Amino acid sequence: DAGVIQSPRHEVTEMGQEVTLRCKPISGHNSLFWYRQTMMRGLELLIYFNNNVPIDDSGMPEDRFSAKMPNASFSTLKIQPSEPRDSAVYFCASSYGQGADEQFFGPGTRLTVL
Amino acid sequence: EDQVTQSPEALRLQEGESSSLNCSYTVSGLRGLFWYRQDPGKGPEFLFTLYSAGEEKEKERLKATLTKKESFLHITAPKPEDSATYLCAVQAYYGGATNKLIFGTGTLLAVQP
Repeated sequence: DAGVIQSPRHEVTEMGQEVTLRCKPISGHNSLFWYRQTMMRGLELLIYFNNNVPIDDSGMPEDRFSAKMPNASFSTLKIQPSEPRDSAVYFCASSYGQGADEQFFGPGTRLTVL
Repeated sequence: EDQVTQSPEALRLQEGESSSLNCSYTVSGLRGLFWYRQDPGKGPEFLFTLYSAGEEKEKERLKATLTKKESFLHITAPKPEDSATYLCAVQAYYGGATNKLIFGTGTLLAVQP
């Protein structure tokens, strides 16, 4: 299995631009998670989906952030407009089941907003 | 509010010098406690899940234990390749939203040869 796939791996953009991060979860997994990691705040859950349906988006910082999961094999996290404080590493993770199941993380996208 | 605190923030050991990392937690109802390892530039890698106080799990030089308030990750005779950031996370019962993990800020471990 290829594991969780994220693209791009690095993104540098200017303030005000739209940014779209992409994720392909592990085949057969039915839960997908978007996290943001910074030195100051560590790893924070932004949103998670179960069976393509958003379950908990309480971690989404503001309306500039949106996430979609149109099918079981693809999800996007969009930031519009981007701001310098959005600079961070964004991870996607997937898991199988509703219980205390391990989450498998992708390699992350390092976002820099100038 | 559910919370996870890890200590120390950073730890430097000599090769072969055993030690422990601490993860203390406050959660309304613990469903599971997770340990992850994260190498620079990579995503967290799963190590263990613990479900109830008194439970222990081992993997090579690592052993994780759990009490009602904290978890320890014991590292026996560490090697330089054990150098990484170790993250602790808890999963609580949130009614229908049971998959949410709350992470600590991690312990950065450096093992010198």
